[in-house]
Amino acid sequence: EVQLVESGGGLVQPGGSLRLSCAASGFTFSSYEMNWVRQAPGKGLEWVSYISSSGSTIYYTDSVKGRFTISRDNAKNSLYLQMNSLRAEDTAVYYCARDMSINSVGYFDLWGRGTLVTVSS
Amino acid sequence: SYELTQPPSVSASPGQTARITCSGDALPKQYAYWYQQKPGQAPVLVIYKDSERPSGIPERFSGSSSGTTVTLTISGVQAEDEADYYCQSADSSGTNAVFGGGTQLTVL
Repeated sequence: EVQLVESGGGLVQPGGSLRLSCAASGFTFSSYEMNWVRQAPGKGLEWVSYISSSGSTIYYTDSVKGRFTISRDNAKNSLYLQMNSLRAEDTAVYYCARDMSINSVGYFDLWGRGTLVTVSS
Repeated sequence: SYELTQPPSVSASPGQTARITCSGDALPKQYAYWYQQKPGQAPVLVIYKDSERPSGIPERFSGSSSGTTVTLTISGVQAEDEADYYCQSADSSGTNAVFGGGTQLTVL
């Protein structure tokens, strides 16, 4: 079955860190560019970060630059998001999403079910 | 930063046509995409590259583009179409994805 499964969410204090993982299965992970998208409670979708299929090209939304790091391990069919210096406004469900573009941010044809990150003291 | 603008809400009776618009300055140069999201679920792609429909998406979903505005049209709305709909595109550099604020479709 073609799917993405996120894990690693939870409750963390402001200023803390968390590492999210996304396990891919049912398709050739190394051939696809990937993204993280988040959704704060009751709010809309917000794109967070993009990584090319090889990992050589990475983009971030301005609000997470310098705090979040996207990476991937194609041998393990996995995508990661290291989140440091977390703020209350980072509270959201984080989705990993498969990108159908080539060499640029495109569109997302496959989504995981998401993992909830709550930043609170 | 680049923004896409959608109406907060749209309503339609069963069998009628619902139209959801999305406006953005870069839309003449960048494709638009549409996602449907039901409560507690992940988004689902319903339209890509302005007007293409993925396999498995009903034919009543269609997309169009005119200048700085793209439109998602649902012909013959059904109760199961009640959901939030988001447009998405990229900025002119292609390095940032952008979502519209979302439109809640209510089926009366």
